[in-house]
Amino acid sequence: KNQVEQSPQSLIILEGKNCTLQCNYTVSPFSNLRWYKQDTGRGPVSLTIMTFSENTKSNGRYTATLDADTKQSSLHITASQLSDSASYICVVLDSNYQLIWGAGTKLIIKP
Amino acid sequence: DAGITQSPRHKVTETGTPVTLRCHQTENHRYMYWYRQDPGHGLRLIHYSYGVKDTDKGEVSDGYSVSRSKTEDFLLTLESATSSQTSVYFCAISESESVGEQYFGPGTRLTVT
Repeated sequence: KNQVEQSPQSLIILEGKNCTLQCNYTVSPFSNLRWYKQDTGRGPVSLTIMTFSENTKSNGRYTATLDADTKQSSLHITASQLSDSASYICVVLDSNYQLIWGAGTKLIIKP
Repeated sequence: DAGITQSPRHKVTETGTPVTLRCHQTENHRYMYWYRQDPGHGLRLIHYSYGVKDTDKGEVSDGYSVSRSKTEDFLLTLESATSSQTSVYFCAISESESVGEQYFGPGTRLTVT
C-alpha cells in the first residue's frame, strides 16, 4: 500500500535554531514530491514541488532534499522564526495522479 | 488563499440533518477538490471535479455527494450527517489534474452532534 510517513510527529525548537523534518514514502513509481506548510486554522500552502530527478530545492530558508533510491525526503529550515510554527506536510504524487498525504510534523518555535 | 472562499467557515449540526458546504473560486481553474482533515491522518480526498458537471469519487466518498453547475462553484453535501463526519473540510483548486500546484481554501470546521 502506498504510504507517506513523517517524523517526528512534533518538534519544539528555539527561535534561530535549524531543524530537519523527515519524510519516508513507499509510493513507487512516483511523479513528484511536495512539501506543504499549514498554519493553524488555515489551508496548506505549497513550499516546494520536486520531481524524481531533483535532489534539492530551496525556497528561502526552506530546503527540501530528495533521495529517490532510498525513498526519503527531508525539509531543512534554517534560522527558524516564530512564524515557522506550523504543520509541515509531505505529499507524494503517484503514477496514477493520486496524491498520497503524510500526517504532518507539528513544529513549534519558542522565543 | 488564492481566490478561494469556503462557506460556512464553522457549522454545528445534528446527526441525521443534511449539510451543504460551498467552495467558490475566482481563478477559473478547471479542477476542484474536496478533502477532509482529521487528527493523525493526512488529508483524504472525498470527491473532485474536472469540469462543469464532471465529478468523480475520491478515497472517502461514502456519505458525500457533490455538484458543480458552474466553473466557480463546487458544493459538497452530506445527505444525512453522522458523527464520523465531524472534521475540517478543505476545498482545493488546480489548473491541471494533481500534477501541478493545488491551492487550498481556508477550511470549514463541521461538528456533528
